[in-house]
Amino acid sequence: GNSVTQMEGPVTLSEEAFLTINCTYTATGYPSLFWYVQYPGEGLQLLLKATKADDKGSNKGFEATYRKETTSFHLEKGSVQVSDSAVYFCALNSGYSTLTFGKGTMLLVSP
Amino acid sequence: EPEVTQTPSHQVTQMGQEVILRCVPISNHLYFYWYRQILGQKVEFLVSFYNNEISEKSEIFDDQFSVERPDGSNFTLKIRSTKLEDSAMYFCASSEAGARATDTQYFGPGTRLTVL
Repeated sequence: GNSVTQMEGPVTLSEEAFLTINCTYTATGYPSLFWYVQYPGEGLQLLLKATKADDKGSNKGFEATYRKETTSFHLEKGSVQVSDSAVYFCALNSGYSTLTFGKGTMLLVSP
Repeated sequence: EPEVTQTPSHQVTQMGQEVILRCVPISNHLYFYWYRQILGQKVEFLVSFYNNEISEKSEIFDDQFSVERPDGSNFTLKIRSTKLEDSAMYFCASSEAGARATDTQYFGPGTRLTVL
């Protein structure tokens, strides 16, 4: 079956530091990959997505590249801000209308 | 920007009681979903709904659960007889289309259900 594994959090960084949140997956077929973000007290918001191998999704300075050979979709940002503090979820959809999520990684950015 | 809304934001109920969680999907979307997240665990798929019927459901979605689109805007999740283990955050989502892996699902803010 499908599964998503994310690095354990919390990830604690200072403002302007480089961010990487690792995500690997197991899936049948050719899944699409997503990163969702949950800010405190809010719902899940789509951050970025990639729908085929070697695609790069990007939004708000965040990037992730769909690597089929390593079954990975790591989230990166060159310079984090305090406002990026949130929980980040990696997810996949292999075409059966259901999203499979990782456990989420909390990011805490201090000034 | 259109968004998915959910009510209530927090529901407290006694074990054995029925609860109905409500969602208003984005207006031109055709597929609707419920997910839940037990505290500290993964977000889990419950059910998807299209054209007034369930299209897929998970093992979690047993006979205690039901979904309905009672009118043109609302989408509800009913739990007939709540158990302690139903305590979780319940997320509603909708998508413009839904049968493809590339379709994006848009989530509401969630309803926190607490069963005492």
